[in-house]
Amino acid sequence: DGGITQSPKYLFRKEGQNVTLSCEQNLNHDAMYWYRQDPGQGLRLIYYSQIVNDFQKGDIAEGYSVSREKKESFPLTVTSAQKNPTAFYLCASSIGLSNEQYFGPGTRLTVT
Amino acid sequence: KQEVTQIPAALSVPEGENLVLNCSFTDSAIYNLQWFRQDPGKGLTSLLLIQSSQREQTSGRLNASLDKSSGRSTLYIAASQPGDSATYLCAVLGYQKVTFGTGTKLQVIP
Repeated sequence: DGGITQSPKYLFRKEGQNVTLSCEQNLNHDAMYWYRQDPGQGLRLIYYSQIVNDFQKGDIAEGYSVSREKKESFPLTVTSAQKNPTAFYLCASSIGLSNEQYFGPGTRLTVT
Repeated sequence: KQEVTQIPAALSVPEGENLVLNCSFTDSAIYNLQWFRQDPGKGLTSLLLIQSSQREQTSGRLNASLDKSSGRSTLYIAASQPGDSATYLCAVLGYQKVTFGTGTKLQVIP
């Protein structure tokens, strides 16, 4: 089955720790995205990547980092510099920027 | 800066009713507009994609229209069912930019 996988589904961390969220796709898409969703605020773009070894900051990149070493993978690291990291994180991919987006199931991160 | 608005934020209808969800955007220079459904705690499921050159798209009981000149898209759901209960989001796909609305939470009452 083609699609996007995110792991784990739930993640708990102590404040001050970095944590990496996984996102893998087998759709052969060039573009990949990370969004953050908070209640009542909709989706906000953290980072996006148009092609391997290239990525751009979105609207709320502070406190986050990404890498794109393989076409299939776009991991997101939530660093200790992120002031309010508890949220629902969604990964998406598309053939190219501005094309139809496909989403993974999400990872709910709780930092205490 | 593109702004996307979805009104109402929540909607409750009896089963069987036809309904319309609205999506408004401020910048008409768009490539595509995409409608999604999101169930609680889940990812987004793509429902329909309308390209900027199209006026509407249909899939089963769903019909989405696009009027770029007025900055509006509507999602029409025919003969609503309890299983349609979810949050519906629209996303405007511009040049290297995607902007989401905050969604309409739909409840269909049996």
